[in-house]
Amino acid sequence: DAKTTQPNSMESNEEEPVHLPCNHSTISGTDYIHWYRQLPSQGPEYVIHGLTSNVNNRMASLAIAEDRKSSTLILHRATLRDAAVYYCILRVRGGSQGNLIFGKGTKLSVKP
Amino acid sequence: GAGVSQSPRYKVTKRGQDVALRCDPISGHVSLYWYRQALGQGPEFLTYFNYEAQQDKSGLPNDRFSAERPEGSISTLTIQRTEQRDSAMYRCASSLAPQGPLNYEQYFGPGTRLTVT
Repeated sequence: DAKTTQPNSMESNEEEPVHLPCNHSTISGTDYIHWYRQLPSQGPEYVIHGLTSNVNNRMASLAIAEDRKSSTLILHRATLRDAAVYYCILRVRGGSQGNLIFGKGTKLSVKP
Repeated sequence: GAGVSQSPRYKVTKRGQDVALRCDPISGHVSLYWYRQALGQGPEFLTYFNYEAQQDKSGLPNDRFSAERPEGSISTLTIQRTEQRDSAMYRCASSLAPQGPLNYEQYFGPGTRLTVT
């Protein structure tokens, strides 16, 4: 499976935008880019996913580089509740291989 | 609606004992996954089911670990002859469909914290 590389940790101030980067230089044309996050003492939760085009939902935006070798999860206004570990994961499009392969993720701290 | 539930939430057992961890997925979800998570690490895949069929058990560490989902709903992860290294958070997740556009999101349960003394 293709690997992703993320910074170990990042800090943000409350109510400021946060850009969480992810490198996936070995991504194939059939891989979707998924983001999950894990709040303290909770299970992971889905955030967003995309293939080629940028995506927006109520939680975040996903900006995908034109060559798809990197992507950025954007939280438009960080809140204290956004403090979590964020995981960038590649999944094969339409594949039956269902499991998620988590790396170490990026631990986001949000300062008031 | 009800999310994924797991029981027990905490389990303390002595080395050598068998344990059974239960997962109740979201109603109607076809796929069910088991993961194990050590402190400070991301979840690690163990096995998964579509309906009652075990699709992939490549992540099970050894033959002391087994899982079943006999009626395509509730699943049980069993660890025989537990060892201290089995201590971890065991998480279950489910998704609506095994593949295609509906399989993009997995819903995770709260986990079972297993401690082997």
